[in-house]
Amino acid sequence: EDKVVQSPLSLVVHEGDTVTLNCSYEVTNFRSLLWYKQEKKAPTFLFMLTSSGIEKKSGRLSSILDKKELSSILNITATQTGDSAIYLCAVLKTSYDKVIFGPGTSLSVIP
Amino acid sequence: ETGVTQSPTHLIKTRGQQVTLRCSSQSGHNTVSWYQQALGQGPQFIFQYYREEENGRGNFPPRFSGLQFPNYSSELNVNALELDDSALYLCASSFDGPYYEQYFGPGTRLTVT
Repeated sequence: EDKVVQSPLSLVVHEGDTVTLNCSYEVTNFRSLLWYKQEKKAPTFLFMLTSSGIEKKSGRLSSILDKKELSSILNITATQTGDSAIYLCAVLKTSYDKVIFGPGTSLSVIP
Repeated sequence: ETGVTQSPTHLIKTRGQQVTLRCSSQSGHNTVSWYQQALGQGPQFIFQYYREEENGRGNFPPRFSGLQFPNYSSELNVNALELDDSALYLCASSFDGPYYEQYFGPGTRLTVT
């Protein structure tokens, strides 16, 4: 059965800290891995990763995929209180008809 | 904010009743996916509609059904509601399948008592 696992499930850090969120997957017919940020209700898209070893960056956020280890990390540097959210990892299969989400990591950034 | 809208925002139903949730996709998008997100969990894929046809389904029973209309808006229908159906229901629209960015709506919070 397809599975996406995230760790840690929750995390509390101080402003300015750097955090690393982990995602691992066991999925047949993998196509790409996606990261989303969910603050109140609607998840918002952060990154899509298809090729192994290529880092995607957006400001203080970056992510990389390791297809050999079936995993990905999301890094956030110089965290701010506005980074407090649930970070969701999801895998898209080659059949294009299903997106499998992990349970999410709840990040709290305190001043 | 995305251009995806959902209605209603909140809903309270009694076990055994039926419910219809609605989603208007972002302009230009022809694919709508529905997800159920229970408290403290990630979204679970229910099904996807592409150009008015169901194009993939997750592990949900047949009492979860849907429709997509010619303007690509969509409905999720749930019959014989159970307490475990209480969740946030999210729809997401995209162009030609969930290849890239899915734009999520704000969700409908369903409570079944």
